Amino acid sequence: GENVEQHPSTLSVQEGDSAVIKCTYSDSASNYFPWYKQELGKRPQLIIDIRSNVGEKKDQRIAVTLNKTAKHFSLHITETQPEDSAVYFCAASFSGGYQKVTFGTGTKLQVIP
Amino acid sequence: DGGITQSPKYLFRKEGQNVTLSCEQNLNHDAMYWYRQDPGQGLRLIYYSQIVNDFQKGDIAEGYSVSREKKESFPLTVTSAQKNPTAFYLCASSRPSDEQYFGPGTRLTVT
Repeated sequence: GENVEQHPSTLSVQEGDSAVIKCTYSDSASNYFPWYKQELGKRPQLIIDIRSNVGEKKDQRIAVTLNKTAKHFSLHITETQPEDSAVYFCAASFSGGYQKVTFGTGTKLQVIP
Repeated sequence: DGGITQSPKYLFRKEGQNVTLSCEQNLNHDAMYWYRQDPGQGLRLIYYSQIVNDFQKGDIAEGYSVSREKKESFPLTVTSAQKNPTAFYLCASSRPSDEQYFGPGTRLTVT
């Protein structure tokens, strides 16, 4: 089955700096890669996703890049703000019908004011 | 925060008792999922259902059971066979090939 590895497990950045979280996956059939943000005590919520026919996608301060050959994808947050502090999860699945999603182990991001 | 609900938010049980966690959605999604979240271990899939009256085991199904009698409902029973049931449980639903919408979660403590 699919295996998703996520690094780093914790990340501290100064406010205004950029943050990068990296994930690798094992199943070359995976073609849907969402990123979820989970604030303390709350539910995970989708912040951005990318499908395998696209190499990069951007939404304001957040961007995701995908390298299918190397089987890795990354989340980039620019101009970080204290409200970006949360746990971020990457995930991978095959988007044929109802997918079984495999999640990474999460990255706890702390933005220091 | 409408769409998918879980109850209760906190649940306390004695060891050896079965307990059922509720999950309801009004998003008209066919697929529903149960995840367990432990510190540092991300989200692990317990069971998922793609359609009413059908469900499949996830990665950590031992000690759990589910039912899917209605499209809107996907209750999870944590049985006494689950050796370490204390955890945060998240339910989710989705359309085909789309993001998962999560419920607010139930924190189960078994003593």
